[in-house]
Amino acid sequence: EPEVTQTPSHQVTQMGQEVILRCVPISNHLYFYWYRQILGQKVEFLVSFYNNEISEKSEIFDDQFSVERPDGSNFTLKIRSTKLEDSAMYFCASSERGATGELFFGEGSRLTVL
Amino acid sequence: GEDVEQSLFLSVREGDSSVINCTYTDSSSTYLYWYKQEPGAGLQLLTYIFSNMDMKQDQRLTVLLNKKDKHLSLRIADTQTGDSAIYFCADPDTGRRALTFGSGTRLQVQP
Repeated sequence: EPEVTQTPSHQVTQMGQEVILRCVPISNHLYFYWYRQILGQKVEFLVSFYNNEISEKSEIFDDQFSVERPDGSNFTLKIRSTKLEDSAMYFCASSERGATGELFFGEGSRLTVL
Repeated sequence: GEDVEQSLFLSVREGDSSVINCTYTDSSSTYLYWYKQEPGAGLQLLTYIFSNMDMKQDQRLTVLLNKKDKHLSLRIADTQTGDSAIYFCADPDTGRRALTFGSGTRLQVQP
């Protein structure tokens, strides 16, 4: 069964360092998302991506964040200068039909900022 | 923006029914969803309901939708220890074109 894969599963970084989280969405999906979940809190929307551009972003997704689809398969989230409060589980998701269809989530990348 | 609220924790005994409740604010959604998150895993779609339905039954799962009160519930019959997980209610935020999730309800099933 097709699935969304994410790497790394866990990354530990020092405050101020750049981090890139990678995702391979399901191949025929057109909509891509990043969500994050701080431990014990809500799953929060960060950004959606369609047709090679950001379609929506939340207030969390500030200038420190960027997304890219560098080739036909990968979808990356970059955090330019990490802060302690960026520590969270980051989930990538993809969908065939956008928010009205099923979102398929990866297993997440746990980011720990020290 | 859209807001989705859930209670945080529910504990039941094996074999009992579990009822997880959710309230939402965006009434224009076509679908409403329940996702399940098992420990160390991503979210997985469990079931969904069309907004023009009041109830949907899927094996041990029953979803009830009260559009007037903007209330969604998930009932799990004959709850098993394998049902222990976090359950998220999700509503498409049409203004944002993304899913808005509740905080999740942690279901603990006691043997």
